Amino acid sequence: QQQVKQSPQSLIVQKGGISIINCAYENTAFDYFPWYQQFPGKGPALLIAIRPDVSEKKEGRFTISFNKSAKQFSLHIMDSQPGDSATYFCAASLVLYNQGGKLIFGQGTELSVKP
Amino acid sequence: EADIYQTPRYLVIGTGKKITLECSQTMGHDKMYWYQQDPGMELHLIHYSYGVNSTEKGDLSSESTVSRIRTEHFPLTLESARPSHTSQYLCASSDLTGANNEQFFGPGTRLTVL
Repeated sequence: QQQVKQSPQSLIVQKGGISIINCAYENTAFDYFPWYQQFPGKGPALLIAIRPDVSEKKEGRFTISFNKSAKQFSLHIMDSQPGDSATYFCAASLVLYNQGGKLIFGQGTELSVKP
Repeated sequence: EADIYQTPRYLVIGTGKKITLECSQTMGHDKMYWYQQDPGMELHLIHYSYGVNSTEKGDLSSESTVSRIRTEHFPLTLESARPSHTSQYLCASSDLTGANNEQFFGPGTRLTVL
């Protein structure tokens, strides 16, 4: 019940195209859903995050779509650029003190944007 | 500049050696975490801490141990390294009082045990 399932495992997109990565969760108590971006040799960095009280959040070219009833959320990267090539991780957590705010990560998606 | 640091970045060591991976943050965060990540794979939480003198085991069982004597420092120790410990180890921190749970990650230590 603590799992977060992410797909696809890898994704190749042409420059200017839309990249879409999907995640599904089981624990309905999760209340924080971030996406992290990781470049080779670096630690992950927060890209964008959403709480379950909204269905969409947009920051620049990055949008999270959230479907609470389906227990799914997705990352959309508009006008994908070669510099977006990285591994993307979705995650979920309980923002409760006694849970320690532990993040449960998805399996990761390796995105390659071709010029 | 507020940041989170890990040393060493790369470590190649023989079986049976004792190693300590260092992690320090200058953001004044109360919560700190250690994750284990195999190449191209998901992150698994192995240890976390709410603050000084607080340590907890994570979701993935690990033979490593941690300590939290100072707020800014959260070292991880392996008493006797084995080839099965070969992996990347990521340290992270977050603000205990934050409304969200943004975790800030260090660059990682890539450990190879021969």
